[in-house]
Amino acid sequence: GAGVSQTPSNKVTEKGKYVELRCDPISGHTALYWYRQSLGQGPEFLIYFQGTGAADDSGLPNDRFFAVRPEGSVSTLKIQRTERGDSAVYLCASSLEGTVHYNEQFFGPGTRLTVL
Amino acid sequence: AQKITQTQPGMFVQEKEAVTLDCTYDTSDPSYGLFWYKQPSSGEMIFLIYQGSYDQQNATEGRYSLNFQKARKSANLVISASQLGDSAMYFCAMNTNAGKSTFGDGTTLTVKP
Repeated sequence: GAGVSQTPSNKVTEKGKYVELRCDPISGHTALYWYRQSLGQGPEFLIYFQGTGAADDSGLPNDRFFAVRPEGSVSTLKIQRTERGDSAVYLCASSLEGTVHYNEQFFGPGTRLTVL
Repeated sequence: AQKITQTQPGMFVQEKEAVTLDCTYDTSDPSYGLFWYKQPSSGEMIFLIYQGSYDQQNATEGRYSLNFQKARKSANLVISASQLGDSAMYFCAMNTNAGKSTFGDGTTLTVKP
């Protein structure tokens, strides 16, 4: 009965480094979402997977951000050449299916990324 | 494009009283769902209540109810009998059948003893 898990819970890195953030969704959930939440703001959509494919990646801010979900379960958000402005909490959520509006999204605890 | 607007950055309510948190939305999609989430200082997002665009009745879940006025494109959250543990950030969000969710900037609710 595990919920959505994310690792690491905290990540501190230096400007210019590469980071990977992992999300393990609820078993059986085909849809997976990544959001970025800056302090005092609502979650900002980054990318949504339906199965293995990225159904909508319109929220990725630039080509330094990339995400994969090779087997339709675990997903990794990858950030290259990190910048201080990338510092935020990165939230992952999953739902039974993404193409219906009534499916609740279940959120993980988030990864707090700090770029020094 | 979808948009959620929460115009109240902060709200105060006395313990045991009711409070309404405002949310207006904009979408051209006829099928959509509206959600409210609670985010305590610990950071987790907790689902509270859901309203579908075709639902005829307002949603209720315990002390939470959603005042859905489709013509005005508003989906306000009403919390009855406020408790100290209700102090948190509250987010209104909208899903469409395209999968993507759009969130508002939230309202910080403080319950006073």
